[in-house]
Amino acid sequence: KQEVTQIPAALSVPEGENLVLNCSFTDSAIYNLQWFRQDPGKGLTSLLLIQSSQREQTSGRLNASLDKSSGRSTLYIAASQPGDSATYLCAGAGDTGRRALTFGSGTRLQVQP
Amino acid sequence: NAGVTQTPKFRILKIGQSMTLQCAQDMNHNYMYWYRQDPGMGLKLIYYSVGAGITDKGEVPNGYNVSRSTTEDFPLRLELAAPSQTSVYFCASSVTTGSTEAFFGQGTRLTVV
Repeated sequence: KQEVTQIPAALSVPEGENLVLNCSFTDSAIYNLQWFRQDPGKGLTSLLLIQSSQREQTSGRLNASLDKSSGRSTLYIAASQPGDSATYLCAGAGDTGRRALTFGSGTRLQVQP
Repeated sequence: NAGVTQTPKFRILKIGQSMTLQCAQDMNHNYMYWYRQDPGMGLKLIYYSVGAGITDKGEVPNGYNVSRSTTEDFPLRLELAAPSQTSVYFCASSVTTGSTEAFFGQGTRLTVV
């Protein structure tokens, strides 16, 4: 059974810092890995999707990497801004027919102005 | 461009009542999912469907039922609501090939009292 862990659970940084959020998974047979952003009381916004054959994806100030052999993914946020404050969730899609996502519990990020 | 639409956004139920959470997507996705999110936790899979007429249980199906009569709609039925079903419910959809990116609705916040 796939298990996804995110460390740290919470993070507070000053504006402008570069930061890394970590995600680890137990089953390397994943189809893809997605990073999401969730604002308080809101839904999930997809940030980046990495297919199992890829090593990384970039969108603006965000870069996500995937290392299947070690069971790890990281989300790098460059030059953080107060507007980046949110909870970040990673989720792996299983390599079986249903392709359902297994989620970590998230990292709650606070960027101080 | 609606994407995944969930109704209602909020609902309070009394113990023992029943209700249906509605989910519709306009992207012609064949895969659809229902997840629940408890406070401070990641999302857990309740039920999923790989196409019209085909549904199956996820991790936490007890107390719920689903149907999938069309590609667009995937309602979730709660029978005999219990306080343990107080949660935020998210519907999602994806395709089986290509990017397989999952798209989420805005969620339904359900309280059972």
